[in-house]
Order: sequence, then C-alpha cells, then structure tokens
Amino acid sequence: KAGVTQTPRYLIKTRGQQVTLSCSPISGHRSVSWYQQTPGQGLQFLFEYFSETQRNKGNFPGRFSGRQFSNSRSEMNVSTLELGDSALYLCASSPGVEETQYFGPGTRLLVL
Amino acid sequence: AQSVTQLGSHVSVSEGALVLLRCNYSSSVPPYLFWYVQYPNQGLQLLLKYTSAATLVKGINGFEAEFKKSETSFHLTKPSAHMSDAAEYFCAVSDPRGNEKLTFGTGTRLTIIP
Repeated sequence: KAGVTQTPRYLIKTRGQQVTLSCSPISGHRSVSWYQQTPGQGLQFLFEYFSETQRNKGNFPGRFSGRQFSNSRSEMNVSTLELGDSALYLCASSPGVEETQYFGPGTRLLVL
Repeated sequence: AQSVTQLGSHVSVSEGALVLLRCNYSSSVPPYLFWYVQYPNQGLQLLLKYTSAATLVKGINGFEAEFKKSETSFHLTKPSAHMSDAAEYFCAVSDPRGNEKLTFGTGTRLTIIP
C-alpha cells in the first residue's frame, strides 16, 4: 500500500504571498492531520480533517486554513506568508480519528 | 491538556551499547503514547505505540518501550545500538478519545559513535 504523499516537496515563496500544500493519505484512511515543524517550536499540530469536516484545530492564526475533499485528499493554505512560516509541513493520515497516524515526507517551505 | 518532556536533546552512545531515550508525560486521562523516528530530510516513522494493552511495547528495528504509570514515563530502549539508528526521536502523547491530536516532545538527537 502506498504511503502518505505530499506535494510539492520543496517550495520557496516571498513574504505576503500565499501557498497551497497538498496531501494524499494512505488508501482507505479518512482522517488527515497537519503539523508544522520548526527548529524553534518543534512539532505543532495545525488541524485535523475527517470526512471533509475539520475536527480539531491547533493554536495557529486564521492565515492557516485547510480542507479535505471527498476522496480524503487534503490541502492546507497559508495566506499572507511571513518569514516565520518557514517550516517543514507534515501531513499524517489514519483510518479513523482515534487511530495511529502515519506521516508523509513533508513539504519544506522557505519564505524569503 | 497533555504534554511530553524528553530529557536530553542530544544523546551519544557507542555502537553496540544500550540506547536509552527518556520520555515523561503529563495527561489528565490515560494516554496513548508513541515514539516516532525522523531521519534527515524525511517525515516521521512510527517506531511503536502504547494504547493501554501490554505495558511493555515492542516496535520496529529492535526498539521497545515500557509504560510506567507510577513514574509517568515511556522510555525508549534498544539493547545494542547500530549506526543506522542515528536519527532524531520524538515521543508523543494523544488523548484516546480523539479530542486532541498528537502532542510531541522536543525530540532527542541520537548519535552513534563507531
């Protein structure tokens, strides 16, 4: 079974731009979560989607948003990029909301 | 609220020696606990998980961890370190009710000395 895939793997943007990251979960998995990893803050939970509905949200500003499609694929969007948004963005999927999460390779975003 | 504390941001052990990575947790409910490993420029790979069954959990690559409620600990061990074990290790906690997602520790970078 294919693992979690994330596209693109690397991205360079400038301040003020917006970016959309994509995540395809493991086949059959219906829950998708997003995490931000930075050297300073470590791994932080962004949000979780299940059956196209946001179930949980971490402590991030409204510039960070996401959605999930009927095929469970998910996208996250960051608007008005700031330098501090430079990070590795990890997507994880699980069969259901209370089950073990499996992570993708991440998208490394650099904001200049 | 849940939290995880990983003692030691860097640990070095000799090849063939015991690996011990420490993790203590705080949770208002009986938690689920996880260890993940991250190799350079990669995502997180699940090593093992505790979900209220056996307190001694065996994972991949020869790693195991023991859940000790009295000590609120979930330390990761491996009897004999291998060069390929060099990576960053994250302990994480979650609420079994699914109300919160994974809360991670700050990570421990494991270096193996030849």
